[in-house]
Amino acid sequence: QVQLVESGGGLVKPGGSLRLSCAASGFTFSDYYMSWIRQAPGKGLEWVSYIISSGSTIYYADSVKGRFTISRDNAKNSLYLQMTSLRAEDTAVYYCARGTTRAEYWGQGTLVTVSS
Amino acid sequence: QSALTQPASVSGSPGQSITISCTGTSSDVGGYKYVSWYQQHPGKAPKLMIYEVTNRPSGVSNRFSGSKSGNTASLTISGLQAEDEADYYCSSYTSSSTLVFGTGTKVTVL
Repeated sequence: QVQLVESGGGLVKPGGSLRLSCAASGFTFSDYYMSWIRQAPGKGLEWVSYIISSGSTIYYADSVKGRFTISRDNAKNSLYLQMTSLRAEDTAVYYCARGTTRAEYWGQGTLVTVSS
Repeated sequence: QSALTQPASVSGSPGQSITISCTGTSSDVGGYKYVSWYQQHPGKAPKLMIYEVTNRPSGVSNRFSGSKSGNTASLTISGLQAEDEADYYCSSYTSSSTLVFGTGTKVTVL
């Protein structure tokens, strides 16, 4: 069965960095686009970034462009989100999802808290 | 990348039908067939309910249906049930090759 497991969340100070990981299993990872979506506490969903199956094309939301970097390792069935220059408004549960316009599988999410 | 506009809340009695709207622009909802709908229960990850405007993933009840007219997409839930009480979000592909979510709608079953 398809499984997506995020890790790497935690408490970080403003201006700090964090790297999130998403371990995928149960499907051929290299065949699928992958996305990161976040949800601030008590707020709605916000698309963050997606990467195509080969990793050669990437898109970001304006709110994270220049600060976040999405990447993937198809040999390790893993998706990553490197987050730098973190701000309080980046505080959220971060979900990885298989696909983009048809995100049929989601992980359980990992909480990132940016606070001094 | 402005969020798509959804009503904050919609309610209905068991057995009734409700419709949630999702309004965007010709650069997102109106320009592409890539509108999706997600259901989210408290503390849970979102669940895909509709993709490409009208398609239901395997296992999703046929009480859920989607449509689109111009720059507005809609999700209809017929035969409303207690377990349908949740938050619902639309999403759309955009002309910038990015994605955008709606503001979210809380569905209450009276």
